[in-house]
Amino acid sequence: RKEVEQDPGPFNVPEGATVAFNCTYSNSASQSFFWYRQDCRKEPKLLMSVYSSGNEDGRFTAQLNRASQYISLLIRDSKLSDSATYLCAVDTGRRALTFGSGTRLQVQP
Amino acid sequence: NAGVTQTPKFQVLKTGQSMTLQCAQDMNHNSMYWYRQDPGMGLRLIYYSASEGTTDKGEVPNGYNVSRLNKREFSLRLESAAPSQTSVYFCASSEAGAGRWIQYFGAGTRLSVL
Repeated sequence: RKEVEQDPGPFNVPEGATVAFNCTYSNSASQSFFWYRQDCRKEPKLLMSVYSSGNEDGRFTAQLNRASQYISLLIRDSKLSDSATYLCAVDTGRRALTFGSGTRLQVQP
Repeated sequence: NAGVTQTPKFQVLKTGQSMTLQCAQDMNHNSMYWYRQDPGMGLRLIYYSASEGTTDKGEVPNGYNVSRLNKREFSLRLESAAPSQTSVYFCASSEAGAGRWIQYFGAGTRLSVL
């Protein structure tokens, strides 16, 4: 089993739709969780950290479920500009992160 | 604010050639990382340096060496390039914030080995 797993997609959704991605992780000792956004042929950029209590940033909501060992990202009112690959990242306990392979989102007009 | 700077942006090598990828950060971060990204594989950690003077292997270290030259610079060397090392290489740096090691990435080096 991979340390961090994501559905590769693509998720094709119309503008204005709500879409959710999950990411499962295998290391129950992991303490830090993140969602990164990566545009085609660009570097990953931090979208948001994921806190135990869940957190929201505008149209984006991240949740952590420690019991089932997954994190989620919810995007409301999707925009064309949200089209990208979303990477989840989980700490390894050694100041390093393990990244999932990414979920590709395509928002269509 | 430059953040993390990688050079070169593109490189084509022949099998067996050597080269060094350079990375520098101006955020005064202690930790630095080298990843490679292949299609459908996500980011895989090659080496990292938790602090100046230390380096550790990541998931895929074979065929690579690293040098943490000082706090700002972390270089990745391919001694004898192989076609399997064709990839996009990202350097990152991080510092703890509220107990979280948030990583910031450079723009990447696209390497082709023929």
